[in-house]
Amino acid sequence: QVQLVQSGAEVKKPGASVKVSCKASGYTFINYYMHWVRQAPGQGLEWMGIINPSGAKTNYAQKFQGRVTMTRDTSTSTVYMEMSSLRSEDTAVYYCARDRITTFDPWGQGTLVTVSS
Amino acid sequence: EIVLTQSPATLSLSPGERATLSCGASQSVSTYLVWYQQKPGQAPRLLIYDASNRATGIPARFSGSGSGTDFTLTISSLEPEDFAVYYCQQRSNWPPTFGQGTKVEIK
Repeated sequence: QVQLVQSGAEVKKPGASVKVSCKASGYTFINYYMHWVRQAPGQGLEWMGIINPSGAKTNYAQKFQGRVTMTRDTSTSTVYMEMSSLRSEDTAVYYCARDRITTFDPWGQGTLVTVSS
Repeated sequence: EIVLTQSPATLSLSPGERATLSCGASQSVSTYLVWYQQKPGQAPRLLIYDASNRATGIPARFSGSGSGTDFTLTISSLEPEDFAVYYCQQRSNWPPTFGQGTKVEIK
């Protein structure tokens, strides 16, 4: 079955960077784009960007441009989301989600990133 | 970008009751509207795509309707496992956007 397994929780200090991974299985990795979505505590869902695992082309939400980098490793069917210059407002659960014509299905289990001094 | 407004913010109902959730778009999204369910501590799960199509494995008590700017998710008879937060999402225009969610809680 299609599965997305994300890396574990992270605790970072303000100004640091974090890199979250999302390993895909159960389908042909390069055939589906992958999104990243985040959810601050008690809040709604916020789209961050998308990566094409085939050609590595990316498209980021304007809010995150310059601070987020999405990459992929086709040899391990893994996509990565790296965010720099972290601040307390970046504390959230970060999800990867496979694209199905801009419908998100399925989702990874989520990775909690806590930014605290 | 398209803004989605969900109402009500919270719906307090009893098991067996009918739930009606609304999602309004700031401009037409045709039928490119998606619904997700999220339970505490879990990732969202796809329920309905393109306004009215149930995703694989979703029970028939869930139905979606609407087009243009006004959409509805209906749960015909609430089961205990249906108490959760529901989000709508539009895929008509870039970037994709989500509503703020409706929490369906036990009365």
